Amino acid sequence: DVKVTQSSRYLVKRTGEKVFLECVQDMDHENMFWYRQDPGLGLRLIYFSYDVKMKEKGDIPEGYSVSREKKERFSLILESASTNQTSMYLCASSIPGLTDTQYFGPGTRLTVL
Amino acid sequence: GENVEQHPSTLSVQEGDSAVIKCTYSDSASNYFPWYKQELGKRPQLIIDIRSNVGEKKDQRIAVTLNKTAKHFSLHITETQPEDSAVYFCAASSTSGTYKYIFGTGTRLKVLA
Repeated sequence: DVKVTQSSRYLVKRTGEKVFLECVQDMDHENMFWYRQDPGLGLRLIYFSYDVKMKEKGDIPEGYSVSREKKERFSLILESASTNQTSMYLCASSIPGLTDTQYFGPGTRLTVL
Repeated sequence: GENVEQHPSTLSVQEGDSAVIKCTYSDSASNYFPWYKQELGKRPQLIIDIRSNVGEKKDQRIAVTLNKTAKHFSLHITETQPEDSAVYFCAASSTSGTYKYIFGTGTRLKVLA
């Protein structure tokens, strides 16, 4: 059974703080993704990675960066958190070309005050 | 850019009735179309998917149809039950590229007992 975990379910930070969200998958998946989910806007892709140390911008990368030093771990970084980054953040992973199914983590609800 | 339109945004049906959710995609290279169900407070989970080489797929009470010419696909749920109440997301992906999904904005389905 695929397991994708995220470091926190709930997080409260102050404006200007540096925030790290971590995602770990245990199924040796090459692809990993970070989305943010907002009411009425669905899931929007922030960044994705298809290999260690590789990253690609998604649709809304501004204000975010990522790190993938190990295959199983993909981190999302908010260099200087702002109130408009208050959202639900979802991580996902997949094996390209096999089933293409993305498996999601439980999400981190981030509030920036 | 690429996008996926999803309708309706909310849908209420009586228990036992059918529900239909429709999506339209713009990228003609899309060839994989998953549907996710997200219950309140939980992660999105794949419920059914379809590839572009088939026109219909069924799994018990749920089915998905695909019209490549018109670039639209639909989710059909028959004999709805209260536990079908959730937010449903469609997505489109090209498995020959980066395997990233473009998600629709979601449909909140309420099944009234």
